[in-house]
Amino acid sequence: DTEVTQTPKHLVMGMTNKKSLKCEQHMGHRAMYWYKQKAKKPPELMFVYSYEKLSINESVPSRFSPECPNSSLLNLHLHALQPEDSALYLCASSQAIRGPKTEAFFGQGTRLTVV
Amino acid sequence: DAKTTQPTSMDCAEGRAANLPCNHSTISGNEYVYWYRQIHSQGPQYIIHGLKNNETNEMASLIITEDRKSSTLILPHATLRDTAVYYCIEYTSGTYKYIFGTGTRLKVLA
Repeated sequence: DTEVTQTPKHLVMGMTNKKSLKCEQHMGHRAMYWYKQKAKKPPELMFVYSYEKLSINESVPSRFSPECPNSSLLNLHLHALQPEDSALYLCASSQAIRGPKTEAFFGQGTRLTVV
Repeated sequence: DAKTTQPTSMDCAEGRAANLPCNHSTISGNEYVYWYRQIHSQGPQYIIHGLKNNETNEMASLIITEDRKSSTLILPHATLRDTAVYYCIEYTSGTYKYIFGTGTRLKVLA
């Protein structure tokens, strides 16, 4: 199984709502990532978890709150978002080891619309 | 983080080789160069990666210059299904960070 599964595929939420994005992998990967991608732009790194601990936060606003409950799951909790936060949110995972076998696997993304 | 830069778009005739360049002039010694592609806003798909040496797999070849400041992804016989956005990515093994370049929109023409 080389899949990273993201749910939901599409999400529409109001600016006062609280919602969560979910990501799951069963490849035994110990690094997991959240990326944000605006239309016609490259994905931008938001967070990196390694061994279930948050290792990198790329100065992301606190209205985005990541959580890694176990080595297979990654959540992104959303609260009080703005319309400009509308984007494709991508989850990825990788082996988190030094050396050559470190390709990341990406999910298909959650397309988020904030109204 | 260092930035990689790529041409915005390229066209290639079907059956011909597609050569996609990437400039990573500030890459450091422990950063790998990865290439991914993304079709119709699906998740990015891995193509190939390398550190210093040229690499080849069933999908593509990767040529890295000796000074490591640039690289070229080669799709040897492009098909219509290779139409996608191709990203050159810097990976830092110490932090597990994959940083995407600006991307090249490749259109393969029949």
